[in-house]
Amino acid sequence: AQSVTQLDSQVPVFEEAPVELRCNYSSSVSVYLFWYVQYPNQGLQLLLKYLSGSTLVKGINGFEAEFNKSQTSFHLRKPSVHISDTAEYFCAVSAPFYNKLIFGAGTRLAVHP
Amino acid sequence: EAQVTQNPRYLITVTGKKLTVTCSQNMNHEYMSWYRQDPGLGLRQIYYSMNVEVTDKGDVPEGYKVSRKEKRNFPLILESPSPNQTSLYFCASGTGSDYTFGSGTRLTVV
Repeated sequence: AQSVTQLDSQVPVFEEAPVELRCNYSSSVSVYLFWYVQYPNQGLQLLLKYLSGSTLVKGINGFEAEFNKSQTSFHLRKPSVHISDTAEYFCAVSAPFYNKLIFGAGTRLAVHP
Repeated sequence: EAQVTQNPRYLITVTGKKLTVTCSQNMNHEYMSWYRQDPGLGLRQIYYSMNVEVTDKGDVPEGYKVSRKEKRNFPLILESPSPNQTSLYFCASGTGSDYTFGSGTRLTVV
């Protein structure tokens, strides 16, 4: 079975500062990893995903994430955030031939001017 | 357009009155799932289905029922809703490497 831990429930940051949202996973098999964003009063939008290949994955809105198998981590980064990045971010895991998508508890990113 | 359609978007009901939230997908996905989202708890899986007539409990199945009589539909049934089922619900379908979510149903049970 897979599980996901998002290490920070809230991350406050000033505009134009860099940010890292941390995600660790647990799995006995190889995994697919995802980051979703939920803007206030909206649904889920896929930011990026890791399926295989290059461990550095680039997504929409300037976000990127790095898959680290030895650390079982998939941290999300952005070098310079904007007010519009204020949202809740969810890390999720599934596995090949195992179509069950498991979410972390979410990290609320608050970008301040 | 590939999509997952949930209805209704908003629902206010009273304790004990049976309700059904519908979910339909047009991508021929075998996998479908229901999640509930609560503050601080993320999205927790209620039930999922790997194919027609194949359903299984997720992490929080109590108080919910599902059925999968056709590939495209996966309704969520609350036989006797209670206030602790007030939540935001999402339906999803996918392939393991790609998932599509509905727009959500905000349910309030009073």
